Amino acid sequence: EDQVTQSPEALRLQEGESSSLNCSYTVSGLRGLFWYRQDPGKGPEFLFTLYSAGEEKEKERLKATLTKKESFLHITAPKPEDSATYLCAVRLRSGGSNYKLTFGKGTLLTVNP
Amino acid sequence: EPEVTQTPSHQVTQMGQEVILRCVPISNHLYFYWYRQILGQKVEFLVSFYNNEISEKSEIFDDQFSVERPDGSNFTLKIRSTKLEDSAMYFCASSPQGGTEAFFGQGTRLTVV
Repeated sequence: EDQVTQSPEALRLQEGESSSLNCSYTVSGLRGLFWYRQDPGKGPEFLFTLYSAGEEKEKERLKATLTKKESFLHITAPKPEDSATYLCAVRLRSGGSNYKLTFGKGTLLTVNP
Repeated sequence: EPEVTQTPSHQVTQMGQEVILRCVPISNHLYFYWYRQILGQKVEFLVSFYNNEISEKSEIFDDQFSVERPDGSNFTLKIRSTKLEDSAMYFCASSPQGGTEAFFGQGTRLTVV
């Protein structure tokens, strides 16, 4: 049973066409939700951390928001260089030194010029 | 900008052979992780390491896997007797504190033939 679900699986946009990616989670005791960008054959590149509902973070054309059930990654006026797979990961509350990340399958974003 | 460094970038090995994947985490980070990503699948947690011991491991991390921090800079993952299904990208990551974002290396592509 997936704890982290990302939608859509793939999204194709025209340059300048704003949109949003969704990450929903079914777990309780969230200790952080993380957004990463992954280019083909590369490691995940950290974008944002969100810890509590209502929190928002921004970086250039990207804005991440968090509610009690889901997070959105808003992309404003995207450019072709924003094309990548965007990964969502959660860290859950538990005892001891449990700091592992549980990842979703990702959204493959393609921005056409 | 500090980064996590992994070597080699690509390793091909015969089934049943031992491999050691190497990582140099970011220098002032305290928590270290290994993740893997089978082609087309999610990024999966393998193991976390803190204060010179394993703090958590997944069910994937069975007796054929081991980790070591042999000196103050390197962090290694050893697979004792490789299987075909071990073929994947292996990512090392580190974080300054347990609850904060993890920074990933570029990965080692392991191919078992």
